[in-house]
Amino acid sequence: KQEVTQIPAALSVPEGENLVLNCSFTDSAIYNLQWFRQDPGKGLTSLLLIQSSQREQTSGRLNASLDKSSGRSTLYIAASQPGDSATYLCAMSLSGGSNYKLTFGKGTLLTVNP
Amino acid sequence: DTEVTQTPKHLVMGMTNKKSLKCEQHMGHRAMYWYKQKAKKPPELMFVYSYEKLSINESVPSRFSPECPNSSLLNLHLHALQPEDSALYLCASSLQPSAAEAFFGQGTRLTVV
Repeated sequence: KQEVTQIPAALSVPEGENLVLNCSFTDSAIYNLQWFRQDPGKGLTSLLLIQSSQREQTSGRLNASLDKSSGRSTLYIAASQPGDSATYLCAMSLSGGSNYKLTFGKGTLLTVNP
Repeated sequence: DTEVTQTPKHLVMGMTNKKSLKCEQHMGHRAMYWYKQKAKKPPELMFVYSYEKLSINESVPSRFSPECPNSSLLNLHLHALQPEDSALYLCASSLQPSAAEAFFGQGTRLTVV
């Protein structure tokens, strides 16, 4: 069974700081990995998708990397802003017959202080 | 347009009520999903529809009944729910069941009293 772990569970930083959120997984046979943002009581907003053949993806101030051999992904946020405050979830699907199913980590609650 | 629209945003229902949650997307996606998210927990998959047919039921109780009337719409019919079913219900879609990016709606906050 795929397990997804996100560290830290919560992170508080001052505005302008660069930060890294971590995601680790137990099964390296992943199909793809997706990072989401969730604001309190709201749905999920897709941030970045990394397919199994890729090593990283970038969108604006966000950069996500994937290292299948070590079972890790990181989300790098540059020049953080108070509007970045949210819960960040990583989710992955496995290769093979279960590639429809996203398994989520428990998330990292990020607070960016002005 | 990368939007998945869910209605209603909030729903309070009694244990004897029948209600429905609705989800709509116009991205041409042929896979649609229902997820359930309890407070401070990650989302958990309930159902998968592939080309308007139910392909996956993750052992969900029969008091939850999904329906996919066409390629753009997905419903979740609720009947005889329990208070522990109170949660955020999320709809998602992707181009195909095995395709890459999943797009989620804003969810329906369900409270069962």
